[in-house]
Amino acid sequence: NAGVTQTPKFQVLKTGQSMTLQCAQDMNHEYMSWYRQDPGMGLRLIHYSVGAGITDQGEVPNGYNVSRSTTEDFPLRLLSAAPSQTSVYFCASSWEVFGEKLFFGSGTQLSVL
Amino acid sequence: AQTVTQSQPEMSVQEAETVTLSCTYDTSESDYYLFWYKQPPSRQMILVIRQEAYKQQNATENRFSVNFQKAAKSFSLKISDSQLGDAAMYFCAYKPGTASKLTFGTGTRLQVTL
Repeated sequence: NAGVTQTPKFQVLKTGQSMTLQCAQDMNHEYMSWYRQDPGMGLRLIHYSVGAGITDQGEVPNGYNVSRSTTEDFPLRLLSAAPSQTSVYFCASSWEVFGEKLFFGSGTQLSVL
Repeated sequence: AQTVTQSQPEMSVQEAETVTLSCTYDTSESDYYLFWYKQPPSRQMILVIRQEAYKQQNATENRFSVNFQKAAKSFSLKISDSQLGDAAMYFCAYKPGTASKLTFGTGTRLQVTL
């Protein structure tokens, strides 16, 4: 049982580059979400999805794009990377919409130079 | 807007001792939920304990217990008989009702020493 799988684990980008962080879960969870974790800021919600074809913005959505074409996958796209997007990114899923029993991936450490 | 404040960026405790992590929150809601999450070095987040605001009794999970002071909007986590495996980042979180998003605090890094 893989749970929530995030790739890559580490990534370095140059300012202006684009990339996609992958997230997949094998638990048939309807709810999936993306957080960023920054020192002194805690975890902040970027985007979330309550099911295939349905996405919505969280607290800090600017500069990021998401889609949910299947229940399993919820990729996060950085359109034009900026140094302010240097962070650790976590994907999380749960049975319930906005459920507190979140299953987190192991994170992606992203540096934008 | 709801806010969650953890005023202790770092804490240290000796093995087998007890430590308390602080959390305060601000809300105008009467029905809400509070949580403590643990993030070990592996970065996987683990739900440690859950408290429902309408329950006066403090939640307990083995060595982990909370001190929930609703009037003071305070929600501290007590870890008894600390173990090396308790070393982690701990996040306090708030949710105003079952169908609402979680708001996380800034985290407290706990170090456990021999």
